[in-house]
Amino acid sequence: DTEVTQTPKHLVMGMTNKKSLKCEQHMGHRAMYWYKQKAKKPPELMFVYSYEKLSINESVPSRFSPECPNSSLLNLHLHALQPEDSALYLCASSDTGSSYNSPLHFGNGTRLTVT
Amino acid sequence: DAKTTQPTSMDCAEGRAANLPCNHSTISGNEYVYWYRQIHSQGPQYIIHGLKNNETNEMASLIITEDRKSSTLILPHATLRDTAVYYCIVRDGATNKLIFGTGTLLAVQP
Repeated sequence: DTEVTQTPKHLVMGMTNKKSLKCEQHMGHRAMYWYKQKAKKPPELMFVYSYEKLSINESVPSRFSPECPNSSLLNLHLHALQPEDSALYLCASSDTGSSYNSPLHFGNGTRLTVT
Repeated sequence: DAKTTQPTSMDCAEGRAANLPCNHSTISGNEYVYWYRQIHSQGPQYIIHGLKNNETNEMASLIITEDRKSSTLILPHATLRDTAVYYCIVRDGATNKLIFGTGTLLAVQP
C-alpha cells in the first residue's frame, strides 16, 4: 500500500474520449508530480505542481491537461489521445518544506490503454 | 537527461548482500543522490538518499565516495522480494527535478 492513491487502476479509452486520472495524498505535501512510464522504460517527468501552481511542464502535448484543485488532489485530464499514449501514469508527492532533499512518494499508477 | 550510469542487470544469491553501483561523475555540490526501486506493476518505492555522508536506514545503506562521483547501494540480506529495477538518481540542484535513468535490474536467486 502507498500513501498516494491513484484512480482508476486501469483505464481503456478511445481516441475521441475525454477521461480524467485522479491522484490524492493526505501527507500534507505541497508538491505533486505526474510521470509517464512506457513498458520497460524508466518514468518520464511530465508536470510538477508546487503550492497548487504549475511550476514545470516538460513540453507535454496539450491533449494532457493537469489540474491541482487543492493541496491534496491532482488530476490529469485526457482528450484526443493517441494509441502511443498508452502507458502507466504515475503520480507522486513531496514535502516542499525541506526543499531539495524531500523524497518523492509515488502511487501505483493508472495503466492507460488508448484504442 | 539522467546524470547517472548503472549496470543493466545484476544477480545476487538470497541471503547475501547486494551491492549496486552507480556512477555520477558530473554531480554538483548541492545535488543529492537518491535510490528508488520498482517492482513489476508498482510505482517506484523510495529507498534512501544522501548528499556527502554515508546513510543507513531499515531498508539499505548508501555509501558515497569522498569525491561524490560514485555511490553504492547495499541491501544487507537480499530476499526474493528484493528482485526489482533499482534506480540511482541525481536530483537536479537547479530545478529540483527527479529524472530517472535506465536503472539496474536486480535478480535475487534462491
